[in-house]
Amino acid sequence: DAGVIQSPRHEVTEMGQEVTLRCKPISGHDYLFWYRQTMMRGLELLIYFNNNVPIDDSGMPEDRFSAKMPNASFSTLKIQPSEPRDSAVYFCASAGTGDNEQYFGPGTRLTVT
Amino acid sequence: EDQVTQSPEALRLQEGESSSLNCSYTVSGLRGLFWYRQDPGKGPEFLFTLYSAGEEKEKERLKATLTKKESFLHITAPKPEDSATYLCAVPMNYGGSQGNLIFGKGTKLSVKP
Repeated sequence: DAGVIQSPRHEVTEMGQEVTLRCKPISGHDYLFWYRQTMMRGLELLIYFNNNVPIDDSGMPEDRFSAKMPNASFSTLKIQPSEPRDSAVYFCASAGTGDNEQYFGPGTRLTVT
Repeated sequence: EDQVTQSPEALRLQEGESSSLNCSYTVSGLRGLFWYRQDPGKGPEFLFTLYSAGEEKEKERLKATLTKKESFLHITAPKPEDSATYLCAVPMNYGGSQGNLIFGKGTKLSVKP
């Protein structure tokens, strides 16, 4: 298996623009997680899905952030409009029921200028 | 409030110099404690899960232990390739990896030859 796939790997955008991050989980996994990592706050969970249904979105910072999982093999995290404080590395992770671990993707480094 | 605190923030060792990393937690009802390794520019990679006080897990030069209030990651005779950031995490609500993991900010380990 190729592991969790994220795209793009790097994104540079201007303040006010819409940003869409993409994630393909490991085939067969029924849990999908979106995290954000910064130096100040570390790794924080934004939202997670089980069987394509959002279970906990309490970590989503503002209404500017939205996440969807239209099917078991694809999820998006959208920021609209983007702000400089959104600059961070965004990770997607997936897990199967009963798994002992979450499998992380390589991350998307977002820079908002 | 559930919290995870790691110390030290950074640790510099000479090759072969053994040491320990600490992860202390305050959660109501521990449902597991996870250790991950993160290399620069990559997503976290799972190392261990511990579920009960007194439990120990080993992998090569690493050994993780768990008490009722903290976990230690012991590194015996480290090599330069052990250089990475080590993260610990606890689930906030559900057990295992199918829930909201709270991560510490990590310990950045550097091992010099």
